[in-house]
Amino acid sequence: ETGVTQTPRHLVMGMTNKKSLKCEQHLGHNAMYWYKQSAKKPLELMFVYNFKEQTENNSVPSRFSPECPNSSHLFLHLHTLQPEDSALYLCASSQKYGQGALYEQYFGPGTRLTVT
Amino acid sequence: GQQLNQSPQSMFIQEGEDVSMNCTSSSIFNTWLWYKQDPGEGPVLLIALYKAGELTSNGRLTAQFGITRKDSFLNISASIPSDVGIYFCAGQPNSNFNKFYFGSGTKLNVKP
Repeated sequence: ETGVTQTPRHLVMGMTNKKSLKCEQHLGHNAMYWYKQSAKKPLELMFVYNFKEQTENNSVPSRFSPECPNSSHLFLHLHTLQPEDSALYLCASSQKYGQGALYEQYFGPGTRLTVT
Repeated sequence: GQQLNQSPQSMFIQEGEDVSMNCTSSSIFNTWLWYKQDPGEGPVLLIALYKAGELTSNGRLTAQFGITRKDSFLNISASIPSDVGIYFCAGQPNSNFNKFYFGSGTKLNVKP
């Protein structure tokens, strides 16, 4: 497989459930990102990992918990979500993060999350 | 905070027409990227721009890094039905190399 893959593609969960989103990149990149995409709003950056270290947390509620065990894998653990958390969650990767350059990010297909 | 203003929000055009969309910022940017997102998919990088005045093409797509460094334009020539989707700009401000921002997107509809 090539590029950035995400599983599952679709997820419906109740507010009391616990679930995890998975992202895997096969590009040899060192930075990985989680974004939230809601209708008619710009992409919202949630978390950034650079060389497995979390470098950005944009005031994301604690019901979203990221995990980056290595440079190729990124998880987003979900628990006690709210209906307003329903959105498309996109994973992306890039060669590096920061250091004076906007490195081109490559996105996965996203997970369409619905919280009931 | 920094915002990217992308316009128009949506466009309805006839197949074969040329399309133009733009992104503006309130501050100077170092880098501009343009992405396209098909329904149910993640954004795909189309063109990256790194120098003021730079003009870069990718097939029927042409993008330019504005000379003022506060804007960027994307043009699509001779549109076809598969051009349908949402086009996003993204940019990195000169004031903070560790930040980047996305526009809210231009939704393109092409009528055969």
